[in-house]
Amino acid sequence: EVQLLESGGGLVQPGGSLRLSCAASGFLFSSYAMTWVRRAPGKGLEWVSGISGRGSTSHYAESVKGRFIISRDNSKNTLFLQMNSLRAEDTAVYYCAKDEPLAGDAYSDWGQGTLVTVSS
Amino acid sequence: QSVLTQPPSVSGAPGQRVTISCTGSSSNIGAGYGVHWYQQVPGTAPKLLIYDNTNRPSGVPDRFSGSKSGTSASLAITGLQAEDEADYYCQSYDSSLSGSHVFGGGTKLTVL
Repeated sequence: EVQLLESGGGLVQPGGSLRLSCAASGFLFSSYAMTWVRRAPGKGLEWVSGISGRGSTSHYAESVKGRFIISRDNSKNTLFLQMNSLRAEDTAVYYCAKDEPLAGDAYSDWGQGTLVTVSS
Repeated sequence: QSVLTQPPSVSGAPGQRVTISCTGSSSNIGAGYGVHWYQQVPGTAPKLLIYDNTNRPSGVPDRFSGSKSGTSASLAITGLQAEDEADYYCQSYDSSLSGSHVFGGGTKLTVL
């Protein structure tokens, strides 16, 4: 059974940094691209960033480019999101998701989410 | 504003059929990229309902179906049940935004 467990969320001041983690189990982690998606209060889902299975390729939404860094440690089956220069508009629940190539790279499995609040 | 446009809300009575549209453009749906649909019940994680326009993952009831035509896609739900009340999102890839996967703005389904 695929399990994804996010951690690292919390309250941070504007301009601050936070590092999210997503511990994966139940599948061969290094063989799958992974993605971060967020949902701000009162808003819809927003794709944030994705990374290939080996970690050699990554992509970012324009809203976070230059501030967020996605990475992974395949030896520890863990996905990361380093968030710098945080803004109030980054406040959201952040989900990690597993890309499923057999499903057109749809996000077949999701974690329960971790809440990030950016406020002074 | 989202690259993919969905109606903010739809509603229907138990047992009825509803559809949710997702309108894109020539750089996403119209370019042939697959459309995926997710259901998110308040307070829970999103769940994949339909992938690659028309396919249901195992465990998803056949009351849910997807279609695609030109630059638009649709999700249909038949035999509405109270438990279907949730937010629904379409998702695809957009070639005009480097490496970007995009979501629709979401549609709130209310079961009357």
